Amino acid sequence: EAQVTQNPRYLITVTGKKLTVTCSQNMNHEYMSWYRQDPGLGLRQIYYSMNVEVTDKGDVPEGYKVSRKEKRNFPLILESPSPNQTSLYFCASSPGAVGTEAFFGQGTRLTVV
Amino acid sequence: AQSVTQLDSQVPVFEEAPVELRCNYSSSVSVYLFWYVQYPNQGLQLLLKYLSGSTLVKGINGFEAEFNKSQTSFHLRKPSVHISDTAEYFCAVRDSNYQLIWGAGTKLIIKP
Repeated sequence: EAQVTQNPRYLITVTGKKLTVTCSQNMNHEYMSWYRQDPGLGLRQIYYSMNVEVTDKGDVPEGYKVSRKEKRNFPLILESPSPNQTSLYFCASSPGAVGTEAFFGQGTRLTVV
Repeated sequence: AQSVTQLDSQVPVFEEAPVELRCNYSSSVSVYLFWYVQYPNQGLQLLLKYLSGSTLVKGINGFEAEFNKSQTSFHLRKPSVHISDTAEYFCAVRDSNYQLIWGAGTKLIIKP
């Protein structure tokens, strides 16, 4: 089954404790991205990657890191999480063509206390 | 820069009544437009998309949308809603840099 898989689905952590949210897709998509979703703000892009070893900042990259060492994986790293990073996070992937839609993971609800 | 405006944050409607969720985007030479749905505690899934051709686009679950270039709109409609349509709906446009620009979302509330 074609899918984007995120782990974990839920995470509660403490301020400053490094964490990684994994994202994997099995559709051989070139493009992957991370979003955060906050009430009333819609989806805001954190980072994106057009292909392996190519990553770029989105609208809200501060406090986050990503890497794209393999085509299928695109982990999101929070080196020192803070309470304002409490949010719902989504990973998405899409083929390289401009008219194609994005496929989303199920989301990761992160709480930083 | 491209922007997307969803004019209503919430739309309450009675079951079996018609609904329209509004979406406007800033002008561009060519646009690729999408509507996504997010059911409670789930990820986003594609409802429908407009790339070119017929301005009336049909999607899943009985939804359709009409692309109006002169009004830069892409409103989503359903003739008769069901309780299972309770969800948040997002409009998005893909810009010339391949980025998806999102609206803030509209919560569809179905009243029994």
